[in-house]
Amino acid sequence: DAKTTQPTSMDCAEGRAANLPCNHSTISGNEYVYWYRQIHSQGPQYIIHGLKNNETNEMASLIITEDRKSSTLILPHATLRDTAVYYCIVRVDEWDKLSFGAGTTVTVRA
Amino acid sequence: EPEVTQTPSHQVTQMGQEVILRCVPISNHLYFYWYRQILGQKVEFLVSFYNNEISEKSEIFDDQFSVERPDGSNFTLKIRSTKLEDSAMYFCASSEKGYTGELFFGEGSRLTVL
Repeated sequence: DAKTTQPTSMDCAEGRAANLPCNHSTISGNEYVYWYRQIHSQGPQYIIHGLKNNETNEMASLIITEDRKSSTLILPHATLRDTAVYYCIVRVDEWDKLSFGAGTTVTVRA
Repeated sequence: EPEVTQTPSHQVTQMGQEVILRCVPISNHLYFYWYRQILGQKVEFLVSFYNNEISEKSEIFDDQFSVERPDGSNFTLKIRSTKLEDSAMYFCASSEKGYTGELFFGEGSRLTVL
């Protein structure tokens, strides 16, 4: 039973912003939204997480809607090295494991 | 930047053989995890480990699997009698603050069972 829904794939032009949507309509008040990515077959890499406020770090921005039923990960200036599978994950609390879905395969094209 | 290291990067074994995959988590981390990814499939949780005991394990983590922290630095996953379906990439991860914290993953150990 998937807690999140993401598009299967998307393309993005190098140098442009990549906006990755995620639906989590059944999210509860204490659940966090996490984003990880996996480049080729490497280990997953943490990107960002948030509860209800928008968050920004050196890699990306996370925009969470006011009702928290969806979010968008923004890669501000996509590069070819950002080509990866991006996972949106909802975690209940500190005792909840990371459960990976199929994610969105993002291809950045020159 | 500190990182999680895993050895071997690739291991080929015969069905029925025992395999030990090794991980060196980040030094000040207290929470350790094993995940696996069968080729073309999702990353699956196997087990979490804290304070020298298993915190949680999935249905995949049956009696054929075990984990150990034999010393202050290593974290191992043992598969007692490998099956063909154990062929996968195995990822070790560690975190400082349990599940609320960022999990740092290693580059993985590819296990091929013939």
